[in-house]
Amino acid sequence: GAVVSQHPSRVICKSGTSVKIECRSLDFQATTMFWYRQFPKQSLMLMATSNEGSKATYEQGVEKDKFLINHASLTLSTLTVTSAHPEDSSFYICSADPGSGYGYTFGSGTRLTVV
Amino acid sequence: AQSVTQLDSQVPVFEEAPVELRCNYSSSVSVYLFWYVQYPNQGLQLLLKYLSGSTLVKGINGFEAEFNKSQTSFHLRKPSVHISDTAEYFCAVSYSNTGNQFYFGTGTSLTVIP
Repeated sequence: GAVVSQHPSRVICKSGTSVKIECRSLDFQATTMFWYRQFPKQSLMLMATSNEGSKATYEQGVEKDKFLINHASLTLSTLTVTSAHPEDSSFYICSADPGSGYGYTFGSGTRLTVV
Repeated sequence: AQSVTQLDSQVPVFEEAPVELRCNYSSSVSVYLFWYVQYPNQGLQLLLKYLSGSTLVKGINGFEAEFNKSQTSFHLRKPSVHISDTAEYFCAVSYSNTGNQFYFGTGTSLTVIP
C-alpha cells in the first residue's frame, strides 16, 4: 500500500536553532503534500499545502518565514522550523494523496520539543 | 464556513460492549467523509471512507460508519470493542468545492475498560 515516511520521529532542539522535518512518499509520486500541526489533546490543523516545483500555500495565521516548506521532488517535501521557540513544540504530521481516490496517507509524525 | 463536529471528546466503554462515535458536518455541497485512528505518539491510520455509493461503509478492525445526508452525520460504530481499540479517533471531511483540503474534527478519545 501507499506509504508516507516522516523523519525524524522525535527531535529535541535548543531555542533559536532550526529543525528540518522530511516527508517522503515511498511508492508513489506526490505533487502535493500537506503539513499539519497537532497540539496535545487537540485536532490536526492544516498549516500549509506543499506543491512540487512551486511555492507552498500557507493557511491563515501560519508564519511562512518561520515554517519554510520545500517540495523539490515528487517524493520529498521538507518543513523547516526556523529559530524555534518553546511554543513551536508540537506534533507535526504530513500527508499525501496516493491517487487511490481520496483517503490521504499520513506520515507517522514528528514530535518536536524546543528547550 | 465548513466545519466538522465530534460531540464527544471522551468515550469510556467496557470491553466487548458496542460503541458509537458521533460526527456531524456542515455542508451544502458534496462531501467525502473519513474516519482516522491515532494511537499514542503515532500518525493517523485510515479506518474507512465514504466517497459515494452505499451509505454503510465497512472499514478495518471491525468498524463501520453510516453516511446520513439528511442529518449530515457520519457516525462510527463497532459492535464489540477490544482493549486494543483504545485510541483517539478523528472524523474528517473533504468538500467538493475546496479541492483536496481536509477538515478534521476535534477528536474523540475512546477508552476501553477491561
